[in-house]
Amino acid sequence: DIVMTQTPLSLSVTPGQPASISCKSSQSLLHSDGKTYLYWYLQKPGQSPQLLIYEVSRRFSGVSDRFSGSGSGTDFTLKISRVEAEDVGVYYCMQGINLRTFGQGTKVEIK
Amino acid sequence: EVQLVESGGGLVQPGGSLRLSCAASGFTFSRYWMSWVRQAPGKGLEWVANINQDGSETHYVDSVKGRFTISRDNAKNSLYLQMNSLRAEDMAVYYCARDVSALDIWGQGTMVTVSS
Repeated sequence: DIVMTQTPLSLSVTPGQPASISCKSSQSLLHSDGKTYLYWYLQKPGQSPQLLIYEVSRRFSGVSDRFSGSGSGTDFTLKISRVEAEDVGVYYCMQGINLRTFGQGTKVEIK
Repeated sequence: EVQLVESGGGLVQPGGSLRLSCAASGFTFSRYWMSWVRQAPGKGLEWVANINQDGSETHYVDSVKGRFTISRDNAKNSLYLQMNSLRAEDMAVYYCARDVSALDIWGQGTMVTVSS
């Protein structure tokens, strides 16, 4: 089974400042088809999760360009260029190369 | 509007059974894999199961194998999760999601409470 490990588990950010979340997988997420099956989700308080980033760095429809994803193989990063109040919630990475596994989640709050 | 609406949650005793449903609309349901994901109170997300377009292929997380069954009825645009031998640790909000490898569309969830 693939284990996804996120750091940090919580983050307090001043509005307008950047934020970064790391996600590491226990196995490479690079498939033989050339795609890397790593995704990022945000679950805002009281809401269902929503897809932010797919295949490491591709923003889902309607997602702000303040969000960006990077990485390869087993190491991945989600960056928020300028945190806004609406970005609070829990961020999850997920692998999709072998069934599906989520990271533990990173809670982002505003200072 | 693309939408998924779960139903069927409720209170069940340990060892009991429950069947969850997920009604899809706004997209061609039969063309997509579908998944169930759960979230225990105050905890993170856990993928539970998925099913291919015609129901011939299913996958489960180890903790529910042999107890849960995912199925679908494409004529009714509906996804199901039959849950048997429920345990306290199965208590969670259960979400259905469209599975294009990314889980791109999610329902609002339905709560399953396992308690005597």
